[in-house]
Amino acid sequence: SQTIHQWPATLVQPVGSPLSLECTVEGTSNPNLYWYRQAAGRGLQLLFYSVGIGQISSEVPQNLSASRPQDRQFILSSKKLLLSDSGFYLCAWAGGFKETQYFGPGTRLLVL
Amino acid sequence: DAKTTQPPSMDCAEGRAANLPCNHSTISGNEYVYWYRQIHSQGPQYIIHGLKNNETNEMASLIITEDRKSSTLILPHATLRDTAVYYCIVRERSQFYFGTGTSLTVIP
Repeated sequence: SQTIHQWPATLVQPVGSPLSLECTVEGTSNPNLYWYRQAAGRGLQLLFYSVGIGQISSEVPQNLSASRPQDRQFILSSKKLLLSDSGFYLCAWAGGFKETQYFGPGTRLLVL
Repeated sequence: DAKTTQPPSMDCAEGRAANLPCNHSTISGNEYVYWYRQIHSQGPQYIIHGLKNNETNEMASLIITEDRKSSTLILPHATLRDTAVYYCIVRERSQFYFGTGTSLTVIP
């Protein structure tokens, strides 16, 4: 069966510091991968998606970037965090564009 | 932007059926309706999806109107563990756009 991992589970970072969040998927190959952000009390906002290694599409302009160095690894990064980057970051995978998305446990980021 | 409209909150008595409505009046003919739920501080959990016909699985039933402009998620016997935010989603192109969902509280 497929599983999706995210780490760290929680993170507290100062403004201006870099960020690296990692997501890995097991039990499937060539998945579509997605990064979402959820601000407190809000719905999920799609940030990036990837259909293959090195292929990244950005949904909204922002202070963040994403990379996919391996088939089942998706990384969310920032060079300098802003206060507004605080939130709950969720990674998801799907077998294809028309397939159901399955979410990881999330990373809660607090920027101070 | 989300293509669905849901009530912000609902209550349901434990053991009773919870009926969560969703409007998606601009849905296209080949777009599926998906339902997820999110328990506090966890990732969203897939519940069910459908296109035209009603669907049922071990978690819930999905009733889609004939014109496909609205749907209802039914939890047949709600338990306290069903307290969560429920999201109704119509996929646009290849992406899932989540709105703010319905916060369901199951009351003992």
